[in-house]
Amino acid sequence: GESVGLHLPTLSVQEGDNSIINCAYSNSASDYFIWYKQESGKGPQFIIDIRSNMDKRQGQRVTVLLNKTVKHLSLQIAATQPGDSAVYFCAEGLSGGYNKLIFGAGTRLAVHP
Amino acid sequence: DGGITQSPKYLFRKEGQNVTLSCEQNLNHDAMYWYRQDPGQGLRLIYYSQIVNDFQKGDIAEGYSVSREKKESFPLTVTSAQKNPTAFYLCASSNPTPAGELFFGEGSRLTVL
Repeated sequence: GESVGLHLPTLSVQEGDNSIINCAYSNSASDYFIWYKQESGKGPQFIIDIRSNMDKRQGQRVTVLLNKTVKHLSLQIAATQPGDSAVYFCAEGLSGGYNKLIFGAGTRLAVHP
Repeated sequence: DGGITQSPKYLFRKEGQNVTLSCEQNLNHDAMYWYRQDPGQGLRLIYYSQIVNDFQKGDIAEGYSVSREKKESFPLTVTSAQKNPTAFYLCASSNPTPAGELFFGEGSRLTVL
C-alpha cells in the first residue's frame, strides 16, 4: 500500500548546527505534506506544511523542501537547539475529500550541547 | 484557549474490560480523528468523523467503537475484542477540506494489565 517512510530513524546533532531530516513518500498523487514534532508523552505539534505546487517553504528556523521528481521531502532546522529534541513525523495527504494523512514512523532528533 | 482535550492521560485496564477515552474540542472543527501510536511506528488511523452523527472506519478499526453525537465530542471505546490494546491514543481535529493541518490532543496512554 501507499506509505510514508523516513531514511534515518535517529539523528544526533550538536547544538547550533543545522539539522536535516529526510522523508520519502510513495504516492505520487499526494499533494499535501506536513511535518509534525512530538515530544515525549505529548501529542504531535504542527511545524510546517507544503503543497505540491511549491518546492520550498520557510518558517521560523525551519524550511521544508519538496522534490516531486524523486518523491522526497526534507525538513531543515537551522541553529538546532536543545528544545528541538523530539521525534519528527512527516505525513502526506490528498486534497479533496476528508483530511486523511498517512504518517511515517518518525525520526528522533537528539541535540547535544 | 482553543484546543483539544483528551482524558484520562493514563488509564489501566484489566483484560476483558471495555474502556472509553474522551476527546473534546472547542476549535469548531467539523472533522475529528482517533489515531493509535505504538513505539517505533507511525500513527495509524482508527476512526474518523467528518460531521456529527457520521463516522467511518480507518485502517485499524477492529476492536474499537466511536460515537459523534456532538460536534465537540468524539469518544473512543476500546472493547475487549481489541487483542492488543496497550498503546498511546491520539485524538485530532481539523476542517475537512482542503487537506490541512490536524490539531492533536495530548494523548491517552492505555495499559492493559
